[in-house]
Amino acid sequence: GQNIDQPTEMTATEGAIVQINCTYQTSGFNGLFWYQQHAGEAPTFLSYNVLDGLEEKGRFSSFLSRSKGYSYLLLKELQMKDSASYLCAGMDSNYQLIWGAGTKLIIKP
Amino acid sequence: DVKVTQSSRYLVKRTGEKVFLECVQDMDHENMFWYRQDPGLGLRLIYFSYDVKMKEKGDIPEGYSVSREKKERFSLILESASTNQTSMYLCASSLGEREINEQFFGPGTRLTVL
Repeated sequence: GQNIDQPTEMTATEGAIVQINCTYQTSGFNGLFWYQQHAGEAPTFLSYNVLDGLEEKGRFSSFLSRSKGYSYLLLKELQMKDSASYLCAGMDSNYQLIWGAGTKLIIKP
Repeated sequence: DVKVTQSSRYLVKRTGEKVFLECVQDMDHENMFWYRQDPGLGLRLIYFSYDVKMKEKGDIPEGYSVSREKKERFSLILESASTNQTSMYLCASSLGEREINEQFFGPGTRLTVL
């Protein structure tokens, strides 16, 4: 079956670094997406990885290991506005997104 | 900027009512999707469409139908609303069929069925 696993909730301190992990099992693989969703709002696209390695985009980076079925989202210099849910989604061979339940990130001052 | 709009942010309906949720996108996207989002569960795909008048069932189509008469508009219909359809409904759109593109989401409709 197809499955995406990510932690339910994480807590971090303002200014620190946090890594949100995601493991995936999909029928075929066309890449891994990360979205950010603030409470009561729509998910917004953060990153896409299809090749192994790290993609950096400002304070946010995303990593993929295809052999391990594993990805992480790394957030640096955390700000209070980074408090949100982070959704991991794998794209299968039919170009459908399989979504994880999301990781709620709580930032404390 | 891609804009996906949904007809209502909040909706309260009675059991058995017919419910229409409308979604409009302004970027000429081919693909449109309807999801529901419930606490502790990932986004679950209800229906999607790759073209006008075309629709395909997602993972949980039971109790729902859709209509896509125009490229920019994708409607979700609950023929007879039930309490277990209380949820957040999210519409999304993306470019081209069977291409790797990010999905753009509308603000969501929080539906409560009493």
